[in-house]
Order: sequence, then structure tokens, then C-alpha cells
Amino acid sequence: GAGVSQTPSNKVTEKGKYVELRCDPISGHTALYWYRQSLGQGPEFLIYFQGTGAADDSGLPNDRFFAVRPEGSVSTLKIQRTERGDSAVYLCASSDLAGGSDTQYFGPGTRLTVL
Amino acid sequence: KQEVTQIPAALSVPEGENLVLNCSFTDSAIYNLQWFRQDPGKGLTSLLLIQSSQREQTSGRLNASLDKSSGRSTLYIAASQPGDSATYLCAVMGTYKYIFGTGTRLKVLA
Repeated sequence: GAGVSQTPSNKVTEKGKYVELRCDPISGHTALYWYRQSLGQGPEFLIYFQGTGAADDSGLPNDRFFAVRPEGSVSTLKIQRTERGDSAVYLCASSDLAGGSDTQYFGPGTRLTVL
Repeated sequence: KQEVTQIPAALSVPEGENLVLNCSFTDSAIYNLQWFRQDPGKGLTSLLLIQSSQREQTSGRLNASLDKSSGRSTLYIAASQPGDSATYLCAVMGTYKYIFGTGTRLKVLA
């Protein structure tokens, strides 16, 4: 079946602009995760959803970052007033926690460049 | 706070060599440990997942071991090939989120 998909694959924006990044998890996966990977680093956790609710948003760097998952499937990561330091690859993953599997399947990521 | 370290940061070997990538973590209270492969500009591909109760997992030419008490894992790659060139990431799961190392960049020369 289809894996985790993310759109867009690349996003270039100007400092101060608002961006939305979308994640489509594997169908039926109840858990969804966002990570951010800066150049030369490993991914860092941002937020975790179980169903529609954010179970842990402790990794969001500040209040410019917000994520939603209104129907428990697709999630959108929203970044307001973008800064050059927000440039990174944003990775989404999903897992079938409700089905007893903790394996996280990662999407290809969205590369965000803030000029 | 969990910290994950990978050594070496980069490795270049001739084709056919057996090699070992190392991962260490500071908090032994982990749920599982996973090794990923990442090709340039691409997402993460899961290679091996070791549950906390397991000592090792094998898949083809790959073997991963886990020693929770010492906070270490190794990824062994047998008979390396140029197609193995990539960044290898180690990640540990505490509750539900992964903490990643910074990776080992592997280049296998033909």
C-alpha cells in the first residue's frame, strides 16, 4: 500500500512569510509524528499526535510553530513569521500504535528554505 | 535527557570490507532502538528495529546488536557494496518519540 506522503517536497519562502506543510500518513495509522532535520544533524522530535489530539508538543521550538490533525488522518504543520533558522527538512512519520506496532514509517520530507 | 552519539561521523572503505558502525546512548531505559538509512535528499528507510528485550536483529548482510546495560548498539555490514553508501542513523525510543544520533556517513569505494 501507499506509504507516508508529504507535500510539497520543496518549499522556498521569504523571511516573515507563513507556510503550511502537509503530511498524509499510512491509512489507518493512529499515531503521527513530526520531526525536523537540520543540515548535518539527525532528526529532532517536534510533535506527536494520537488520533486528533496532540499528545506531546514539547519539541515545537516556539509559538510560531503549530500543527493540527483535525480528522485524525492528514496533518498540517504551520509556521508563522518564518525565520532563516527554520530552514530544514521536515519529516513526518506514522505508526499503527492502536494495532500494537511501534514501528514508525517516515515520509520523504519537505525541504523548507527561508531566504 | 537522552543523548545519542554515533561514531565514526564518516567512514570510507573499499568494496567488500566488513564494517561496524557504533551507536551509544546515555539512558538505558529505552523501548526500542532502530537503525535507519538515509540517502542524500531522501527520507529515512528503516533497516533494523531491536526491541528492548532483544539482543540482535539480522536482515541479509546487516546485523544489529543491542546492549542496553552499557548503552550501546552496533550495526555490522558484511561484504560492503558501493550501493551501501549513505548516511546511517541510530535512533532510540523512550516512550513514543525517537531520539536520533547525528549519523555516520558511509562511502563504499568500487
